[in-house]
Parts: sequence; C-alpha cells; structure tokens
Amino acid sequence: EPEVTQTPSHQVTQMGQEVILRCVPISNHLYFYWYRQILGQKVEFLVSFYNNEISEKSEIFDDQFSVERPDGSNFTLKIRSTKLEDSAMYFCASMVEGFSYEQYFGPGTRLTVT
Amino acid sequence: KQEVTQIPAALSVPEGENLVLNCSFTDSAIYNLQWFRQDPGKGLTSLLLIQSSQREQTSGRLNASLDKSSGRSTLYIAASQPGDSATYLCAVSAFTGANSKLTFGKGITLSVRP
Repeated sequence: EPEVTQTPSHQVTQMGQEVILRCVPISNHLYFYWYRQILGQKVEFLVSFYNNEISEKSEIFDDQFSVERPDGSNFTLKIRSTKLEDSAMYFCASMVEGFSYEQYFGPGTRLTVT
Repeated sequence: KQEVTQIPAALSVPEGENLVLNCSFTDSAIYNLQWFRQDPGKGLTSLLLIQSSQREQTSGRLNASLDKSSGRSTLYIAASQPGDSATYLCAVSAFTGANSKLTFGKGITLSVRP
C-alpha cells in the first residue's frame, strides 16, 4: 500500500543552523501539509501546499520557515535558523482530491535543537 | 477558532472491555472528522474518517460516530486488547481541498491491561 515517507527519522542540530526536512508524498496526491507536535502537546498545523504554492499557513509558520516541491516527488520543509523551541516531531501529510479528503501522514522527523 | 477537546487525557481498562473515547469540537461547521492512532514516538495512523453527512463508520472492532450539531464524536472499541494500547487523536477539517487543514485534540492515552 502506498505510504508517505519522511527523512531523516531523527535530526539533531545546533541552534541557529538551517535544517531541511524531506517528505515523499503518495504519488497521485495533490495536496501537501506539514504539521508539528511538540512533546506532550497537540499536533499543530503549519502549512498547506497545492499547485506549487502555499494555500494556507499558521501563525507558527513565520519567515524562518519555507516549503518547496523541488521535483515531482519530494516536498521539503526548511527552517532557516533553528531555535530551541523548534524541537518537535514534524509530520508531513498528503491528500488526493476526492470526496473524502482524507489525509495520510508520514512517520515523522524528530528534530532536536541543542 | 476551532477547538477540539478529548477527555479524559488517559484511560486504563482491563483486556476484553468495550470502551468509548470521546471527542468534542466547538465549531460544528466541519467537513470531516478523522480518528488517528499514535504509538509512542511514532507517526499518525488513520483509523476512521467520517464525513459531516455521515453518522458513523466502522472498521473491524472500531466504530466511530458523529453528532455534528452537538459537536461530538465517539470512538467505540469492542473487546479491547493489550495491542490497542496507544494514544487516540481526533481531528476535524472545516474545508475541502487546499484549505482542509486538520485541527487536533490532544489525544487520549489508552492502556489495556492483560
């Protein structure tokens, strides 16, 4: 069964460094999302992406964040200058157009900023 | 702003018990509701999706119901097993397509005792 994949599974970085989190959505899906979950807290929406542009972004998604779909398969989240509070699990999700609009999630990337 | 609440935060039951997990949301103008399972440190596995026009969905020992007008959903687990131990999250989406971000509850951590 097709699934969303994410790499790396765990990333450790120093404060102020740039990180790129990578996702490969399910191949026929058209809508792409990033969410994050700080330890012990709710899963929070960051950004949605459709037709090669951002559809919606949350207050969390400030100028330090960017997303890109550099080719037909990858979807990336870049954090330009990481802060301690960016430490979280980051989930990518994708969705196909249709009646149900069900989102399928990847296994997540655990980002630890030291 | 949509708020999703899941109470209690944790639940412990003996194996074999039938149980109900509750989810409430403040804005009844939703398009769909998804129930997810999350194992510790892992990603989100979609269990069931209910469209706003539907009353319930079933998959194996799981049954999810939706009362949109009262802003409530329940996940019923029949004959619980130790393997059901996990955190169960519900999430709602207000729109379709590019703006279909999910708003999550904090989850209910279920422990099924052998």
